[in-house]
Formats: sequence, C-alpha cells, structure tokens
Amino acid sequence: QVQLQESGPGLVKPSETLSLTCTVSAYSITSGYNWGWIRQPPGKGLEWIGGIYHSGVTYYNPSLKSRVTISVDTSKNQFSLNLSSVTAADTAVYYCARCSCTSTSCFSDYWGQGTLVTVSA
Amino acid sequence: QSVLTQPPSVSGAPGQRVTISCTGSSSNIGAGYAVHWYQQLPGTAPRLLIYGNRNRPSGVPDRFSGSRSGPSASLAISGLQAEDEADYYCQSYDSSLSDWVFGGGTKLTVL
Repeated sequence: QVQLQESGPGLVKPSETLSLTCTVSAYSITSGYNWGWIRQPPGKGLEWIGGIYHSGVTYYNPSLKSRVTISVDTSKNQFSLNLSSVTAADTAVYYCARCSCTSTSCFSDYWGQGTLVTVSA
Repeated sequence: QSVLTQPPSVSGAPGQRVTISCTGSSSNIGAGYAVHWYQQLPGTAPRLLIYGNRNRPSGVPDRFSGSRSGPSASLAISGLQAEDEADYYCQSYDSSLSDWVFGGGTKLTVL
C-alpha cells in the first residue's frame, strides 16, 4: 500500500518561506506517476499548488508560480514544496499526493494525511 | 469562486439516491477534459472516488457512479448510508487558466 507523509514546521512567519517534505513509502517515486501538492484553507475548498513528474519536469498553479518550487530527492524517496513570501492567506492544510496525469487528465489516487501550516508572527 | 460550480449542499435520507452536479464551461469539462471526484470525510484527507468521468478505483462501492454530459458532470450516490456524509469535490483541467481546478465542494448530509 502506497503511503505518503508530510512533514515540516506548523508555524511560519509572514514573508518567510514555507518548506514541507513528503516521504513516500512502498513505491519508488522514480518508477512513474507524478507527485503533487494540494492545499485547503481552514473551512474552505481544495486548491492545486503544483507537482513534479517522475522525469523531473514541474508544473505550478499559475497564481502561485512565482513563489512555488517543487523538487525531488530520489535518494530519500521524497519530494518537497517551498512557498516563499508567505502571508496569512497561505494558512492551510497542505496535502501531498501521488498523481496520475496525462495531457488532459490528472487525478490523485494516494494522499498524505495533511499537515496544518499556520502563517503568523 | 471556482470555474467548476457545485451546489454548496445536498441531502437525502438513508437508502435514497442523490446527485451532485459539477458545472463547467467550454474551457474545462465542455472541452473534453476528464472529471474526477473526491470524498472528504470530516477531518480526513480527500479520497479518490471517481476518475476519468466514470471509473471507480478498487475498493469504491458501486453505489457511487459518475457521468459527464457537455460542460457538466455528475456524481450519483445510490442507497445512501450515514457513512456517506462528507464533502465531495469535482476536479478537471481548465485550458484558460492552464491549471488543474477543483469545484467549490458539496456537503452531503444524510438525514
């Protein structure tokens, strides 16, 4: 059973960089699929942040693109999210997920449990 | 305001059938991009319910079914059970935004 687990600080100061890591178990991230990040502000809906193909190609939500970097560490079977210049609007539960994507379709079949990141001084 | 519009809430009694709509436009569902559905139980991560408009992952009961017609898609749940009470989200791709988008979500209440 594929498992994903997010880790990182639960509190980030405004203007700083939010950094999260997703550790994948029972599946090698180099074997295929894409790996993505999705977030959910408290009491609100889901928002796609971006992802990385197993080839290393990245794709980002255009509204966040200038602040987002997603990378992979194959030696640790992990992928990471960096979101710079955060504000209170970035407070959310952040999920990592395994994604099955084509040019016209992208869905997430395995999700991490999510981690709440609060942006506050 | 999402480009995929879902009703904020729906409800039904145990055993009944309910449908949740996801209305898009010519730049997303209407353009032929696939629709996927997720179930999110309170306090948990979303779970893939339907992919590729109508396909169920292994382990999802056949009480759940998906369909697409024109710029809209629907999720139908038959034989409603108390455990189905959750938030449901549709997802597709929007070519105008060049982004994968979610609907605003629908809260299902089992009466």
